Amino acid sequence: QQQVKQSPQSLIVQKGGISIINCAYENTAFDYFPWYQQFPGKGPALLIAIRPDVSEKKEGRFTISFNKSAKQFSLHIMDSQPGDSATYFCAASSGNQFYFGTGTSLTVIP
Amino acid sequence: GAVVSQHPSRVICKSGTSVKIECRSLDFQATTMFWYRQFPKQSLMLMATSNEGSKATYEQGVEKDKFLINHASLTLSTLTVTSAHPEDSSFYICSARGGQGVEKLFFGSGTQLSVL
Repeated sequence: QQQVKQSPQSLIVQKGGISIINCAYENTAFDYFPWYQQFPGKGPALLIAIRPDVSEKKEGRFTISFNKSAKQFSLHIMDSQPGDSATYFCAASSGNQFYFGTGTSLTVIP
Repeated sequence: GAVVSQHPSRVICKSGTSVKIECRSLDFQATTMFWYRQFPKQSLMLMATSNEGSKATYEQGVEKDKFLINHASLTLSTLTVTSAHPEDSSFYICSARGGQGVEKLFFGSGTQLSVL
């Protein structure tokens, strides 16, 4: 059973546009929600993370929106750049348990 | 952010040989380390969780005799793929948590294993 559902599977955005990736979860015990960015042949890198007591967190061009009642959270990349082209994974965590989404391949075209 | 060093980054070996992959937390003590396997264009598949000084906990379907994990210290965990076969070819990634942001999980750069 997929603990974290992520969509879309792939996304193509024009340079300067907004990229939006969505994730949903069921387990209300999750208390930490990170997003990771992965380039081909590299390990995932922590991008931004949020805890459920906050509805939004912004770091530079990256924003997480968190809806606790809907059990959904999303990553927004503002002013998307070709260098943002990568695979993005959301995750949900409780204790030592980390569950990852299936990933979204983002392509930002110039 | 915290740094997790993983090496080698790429290894090619003959079928039947054993391969050891190292994962080190460089600037924090990793209370828990995780090993993942990733197939092309797919998500991370957790193989095992290890805590320093204790035996690793393997996920269902992962052969513990084939994938030997040793978490000998708070900064080092190793994964040994024993008697590797072509079907073991994959991208292996370690991760570690600990340090100041205990809930945070940091990944190594991955190891591409190719078994001929």
